[in-house]
Amino acid sequence: GAVVSQHPSWVICKSGTSVKIECRSLDFQATTMFWYRQFPKQSLMLMATSNEGSKATYEQGVEKDKFLINHASLTLSTLTVTSAHPEDSSFYICSARAASGSTYEQYFGPGTRLTVT
Amino acid sequence: DAKTTQPPSMDCAEGRAANLPCNHSTISGNEYVYWYRQIHSQGPQYIIHGLKNNETNEMASLIITEDRKSSTLILPHATLRDTAVYYCIVRVGSGRIQGAQKLVFGQGTRLTINP
Repeated sequence: GAVVSQHPSWVICKSGTSVKIECRSLDFQATTMFWYRQFPKQSLMLMATSNEGSKATYEQGVEKDKFLINHASLTLSTLTVTSAHPEDSSFYICSARAASGSTYEQYFGPGTRLTVT
Repeated sequence: DAKTTQPPSMDCAEGRAANLPCNHSTISGNEYVYWYRQIHSQGPQYIIHGLKNNETNEMASLIITEDRKSSTLILPHATLRDTAVYYCIVRVGSGRIQGAQKLVFGQGTRLTINP
């Protein structure tokens, strides 16, 4: 099956620093990747959609200058949380879309837990 | 995308069938029903999807009512490892319209399998 990896699986950083999270599709090419955020005991919230080679489309209320997304290749997308603050502490999950017959399926990475101190 | 309604929690005994309901009364003709689940502190896992016919795979069965306004995910022989939050999502699933078919998650059903 389609495998999506994320790195790192968890990270602790100090307030004001930037953190980069990588998302890779290991055995398929993903023209579209999605980034979600999940706070404790809440559902996943879509942050942005990125298509390879073009600018990401951010959901309403998500600051594009704070959450920088780069989708430079068909197997790699990165999310950089700039000038992180404690309220950015969350579980960040990426997802990649793969073609499956006549439909497109979405596969999720294992998530990255970010703690900002 | 159409909104879905699921019970917040359910319990099921190990070895029994777990039947998880989902209401999607405003579903459009070209929208599919998708089911994902999320085990604690992991990324969501795809389970199954369907348009109007019932579907079955190695993980589960999906029963969609004739009017497509509701569906039921069936785990035939639940195990302790099936304890998770189950999400029912409807969206346009086919075609090659890039960027349009994003998955929007609701609150899901927290399924607990009891020994």
